[in-house]
Amino acid sequence: AGVTQTPRYLIKTRGQHVTLRCSPISGHTSVYWYQQALGQGPQFIFQYYEEEERQRGNFPDRFSGHQFPNYSSELNVNALLLGDSALYLCASSPPWDRVGTPLHFGNGTRLTVT
Amino acid sequence: GQQLNQSPQSMFIQEGEDVSMNCTSSSIFNTWLWYKQDPGEGPVLLIALYKAGELTSNGRLTAQFGITRKDSFLNISASIPSDVGIYFCAGQLRGEYGNKLVFGAGTILRVKS
Repeated sequence: AGVTQTPRYLIKTRGQHVTLRCSPISGHTSVYWYQQALGQGPQFIFQYYEEEERQRGNFPDRFSGHQFPNYSSELNVNALLLGDSALYLCASSPPWDRVGTPLHFGNGTRLTVT
Repeated sequence: GQQLNQSPQSMFIQEGEDVSMNCTSSSIFNTWLWYKQDPGEGPVLLIALYKAGELTSNGRLTAQFGITRKDSFLNISASIPSDVGIYFCAGQLRGEYGNKLVFGAGTILRVKS
């Protein structure tokens, strides 16, 4: 099975909080979150490995995450803004290897903020 | 920060035509990747390039990793209707704990009517 994301669609109101979930490919230990606004390429939010945030893109602290012992992950966004409306993508990778295994993505969660 | 310039932004194809798109960057990447995204789905990996100068094929798709490691192109030969979609290039950087991708803005492939 590939990367699984839930829910597929979500509608929230400005100011609310949202939690998105991701289950990585079996055997993969790193999880990456990306935001894809309409008409744009995905933008890197952060990466989790061994339950800690390891890399972070240019996103405010309203965006936070968590990784569980089973390697699944959550993306949390507080105080939602209209501009947070986007497709949120999750990807996973195996324990770090020297070749640099390409990322495989889930189908994303479409978040609409009204 | 790193930015990828992908061109063209969009193009129309007629079945049977060859298609070419490219990506340039001001930064060097360890790996270049090409993804295709259909509506409502996540990006699907098409081709991965690991070495400067490398030319790799996947069926009707051919991609090359530029010698300077700052550019790549993707060719699609004898296009078919299911080639329609959005194509993204991505440069991959290897960090201490994992990889990070920087994406281009995408090339939209449409069918000529």
